[in-house]
Amino acid sequence: GPKVLQIPSHQIIDMGQMVTLNCDPVSNHLYFYWYKQILGQQMEFLVNFYNGKVMEKSKLFKDQFSVERPDGSYFTLKIQPTALEDSAVYFCASSSRLGGLEQYFGPGTRLTVL
Amino acid sequence: QQKVQQSPESLSVPEGGMASLNCTSSDRNFQYFWWYRQHSGEGPKALMSIFSDGDKKEGRFTAHLNKASLHVSLHIRDSQPSDSALYFCAASEQTGYQNFYFGKGTSLTVIP
Repeated sequence: GPKVLQIPSHQIIDMGQMVTLNCDPVSNHLYFYWYKQILGQQMEFLVNFYNGKVMEKSKLFKDQFSVERPDGSYFTLKIQPTALEDSAVYFCASSSRLGGLEQYFGPGTRLTVL
Repeated sequence: QQKVQQSPESLSVPEGGMASLNCTSSDRNFQYFWWYRQHSGEGPKALMSIFSDGDKKEGRFTAHLNKASLHVSLHIRDSQPSDSALYFCAASEQTGYQNFYFGKGTSLTVIP
């Protein structure tokens, strides 16, 4: 079936650095999402994105976070600067319509901030 | 306090058996509930949604919702080894994502 790819699968960076997480969504999808899962905790919604704009964001989506999808390429999550509490697995998802059952998730990027 | 709690944390059932997973929310405003499944090394995949009290059946999977008790369950009959995965419950107040909460998950193992 359709697959969402996430690059890289693992990323280790020093606190204060910038990091960009890349998501290659399903080709005809229009809605894009990022979720965060700290080890041992539940997954949490960060943000969704449509037509070049953030639609909704949670309290976790701090000012240091930004998302974009320039020219139909990767959907990216940028964190600048990173903090220790940003260490987590970040899941990207995409869908053709807005809604839970329609989403396809990627396998996640494990981010470790030292 | 976590808004969505799942039990048990882990569950083993024999192949062909019935697996029952539970989810309780602490917020009476929750109206919409979902079940997700995540196989090892993969991202989650939505299985079912349930928005009304009662049962909803899709193949071998049946979800049951009782809004009065804020309880939703997932029953998998004739469990298969391929059903071995982490199952998440999620709930929200409305159809948007700003108040969309996941549980920590139940790890299901189906023993051949």
